[in-house]
Formats: sequence, C-alpha cells, structure tokens
Amino acid sequence: AQSVTQPDIHITVSEGASLELRCNYSYGATPYLFWYVQSPGQGLQLLLKYFSGDTLVQGIKGFEAEFKRSQSSFNLRKPSVHWSDAAEYFCAVGGTSGTYKYIFGTGTRLKVLA
Amino acid sequence: DGGITQSPKYLFRKEGQNVTLSCEQNLNHDAMYWYRQDPGQGLRLIYYSQIVNDFQKGDIAEGYSVSREKKESFPLTVTSAQKNPTAFYLCASSISTGRRQPQHFGDGTRLSIL
Repeated sequence: AQSVTQPDIHITVSEGASLELRCNYSYGATPYLFWYVQSPGQGLQLLLKYFSGDTLVQGIKGFEAEFKRSQSSFNLRKPSVHWSDAAEYFCAVGGTSGTYKYIFGTGTRLKVLA
Repeated sequence: DGGITQSPKYLFRKEGQNVTLSCEQNLNHDAMYWYRQDPGQGLRLIYYSQIVNDFQKGDIAEGYSVSREKKESFPLTVTSAQKNPTAFYLCASSISTGRRQPQHFGDGTRLSIL
C-alpha cells in the first residue's frame, strides 16, 4: 500500500540555521511528490513538486527538495531559516494512475528560535 | 487573483443540527476536494468531485454530504449523523484529478460544537 511517513512531528531550529525535513514514501511506481506548507489557521500552499528529471527541485521561499529513489525519500531543505518559516509542513504523493488520491504525511511542525 | 474561498472561517454547530460549509473557486478547475484535518492526523479526504454533477466518497464520508451543481462551487454539509464534527475543514481544487496535478487550497473553516 502507498504511504508517506514524516518521522519528525516537531522540529526546532534557530533562525539562520539550516533545515532538513524528512519524508519517506512507499510507492510501487514512479512517484509524483509534493511539499506543502501550512501557517496556523490557514490552508496549504504548494512549495515544490517533483515529477521526473533532475532529482533536486527548487521551490518557493528558498526551499529545495531532493528525490532519492534508492532511499525512497524526498527531504525538504533550506540553507538559512527565517522566523517566518515557522509553520507545519506536509509531504504528499500523488495517487495511483487514474485515481484522484493524494496521500499526505502527518506533517512536521517547525518552530524557529530567534 | 484566482483562488479558493471558504466561508465561514468559524462555524458552530448545535446538537442535531446540519451545517453547510461553502467552497467557491474561480480557477476554472474541474476537480474539487474536501478534507478534514485533526491535530496529528494530517489530511483525510471526505469527498471529491471530478466534474460537475459527479462526486465520490473519500476515506471518511460517513456523516457528510456534498453537491456539485456548478463548476465553481462544492459545498459540504456536516449532518447530525457526524458525531465528532469538531475539526478544521479544507477545500481544494485541481485542474483535474490526475495524480501529477497540484492541489490548491482554501483557508479553511473551523467547525466547533456548542
């Protein structure tokens, strides 16, 4: 069965430090992968997506993610975190061919220390 | 600017009452979705619609109903049969239900029980 795992429920980093949020997926075919960010009381905003090709993808707000097929991972990174990055981050995989379904991870809540 | 509008932002339900959450999009998207978000559980799909006058149950449809009479609108009714309706509800849309299509989200409705 397809699944997405975000092993870290909470992460705290200092402002200016680097960030890596982990995402592991289980999927039989080539996955279509997404990262979303959710600020408190808001909807989800797409940060970046991976379909094929270059395994390092760039997104908005200075984020990037690297697809590693051998590790079934799609980790999100940012070289220098800003206080405004404090939010919840969701990894998702597009469903099997011909179906609607996204599979979302349970999210990682990021806290940024000043 | 195109986007998804959810209303109201906050909603309170009395015991035995049905309530309807509004979702309108002006993105000209065919597909629309309703998710329920509870702390620590990520997003769970309630219903989705691939096209006008068609909709399908998601993973947790019991106690909910929807309609899709117009392309722009996908209202969700939380019925009295839903015994634990307190949650954050998110509406989303995408160009189609293909698995590589990013979903665009509204800002959510928070439903509470009086």
